[in-house]
Amino acid sequence: GESVGLHLPTLSVQEGDNSIINCAYSNSASDYFIWYKQESGKGPQFIIDIRSNMDKRQGQRVTVLLNKTVKHLSLQIAATQPGDSAVYFCAEKGGATNKLIFGTGTLLAVQP
Amino acid sequence: EAGVAQSPRYKIIEKRQSVAFWCNPISGHATLYWYQQILGQGPKLLIQFQNNGVVDDSQLPKDRFSAERLKGVDSTLKIQPAKLEDSAVYLCASSLGPHGSPLHFGNGTRLTVT
Repeated sequence: GESVGLHLPTLSVQEGDNSIINCAYSNSASDYFIWYKQESGKGPQFIIDIRSNMDKRQGQRVTVLLNKTVKHLSLQIAATQPGDSAVYFCAEKGGATNKLIFGTGTLLAVQP
Repeated sequence: EAGVAQSPRYKIIEKRQSVAFWCNPISGHATLYWYQQILGQGPKLLIQFQNNGVVDDSQLPKDRFSAERLKGVDSTLKIQPAKLEDSAVYLCASSLGPHGSPLHFGNGTRLTVT
């Protein structure tokens, strides 16, 4: 299928390694953040979310870190697998508009 | 639970023609969204419904785009007339409510305008 990853920042990792995908968000009033995974030809798939009253949240093989001081969000994937290859988007919500705003996206390429 | 359903999966039309997309959200989700995703970019919100009312349509090109959710469940998005720059994937998403709950997306309709 056609890739949504054209011209996106790319992170290339070896299978089994840990991956860290970073995101800088724009609105200091944002209070809810979500990471999505998008595979070619599919819609974004929810991975994990975090509210602004937390700085870390863990899921299965994934951890999200939030640093409100520098408006930075990261997604850590442990023991990266070939099935993790996709484009990853961070999204922020809150403030006056309360819209979910997506970041640029990062293409994660897992090498076997 | 069943996910967000969208149809058609693909659509190819000529410029100035009209097209409609359909979305069935996850059962019980009061909030429904239409996003446009141009290749290589993140999704951009077009319109947000809360039940059958419009919450935000500030980024909807209202001269050519329209959307409705008459009974507060299914929704349709229409483009008339289409332009070349409308070529994109149109994603429908739903959530339990407008605040603090994740959006769940369908697989989208890929529109090509020639």
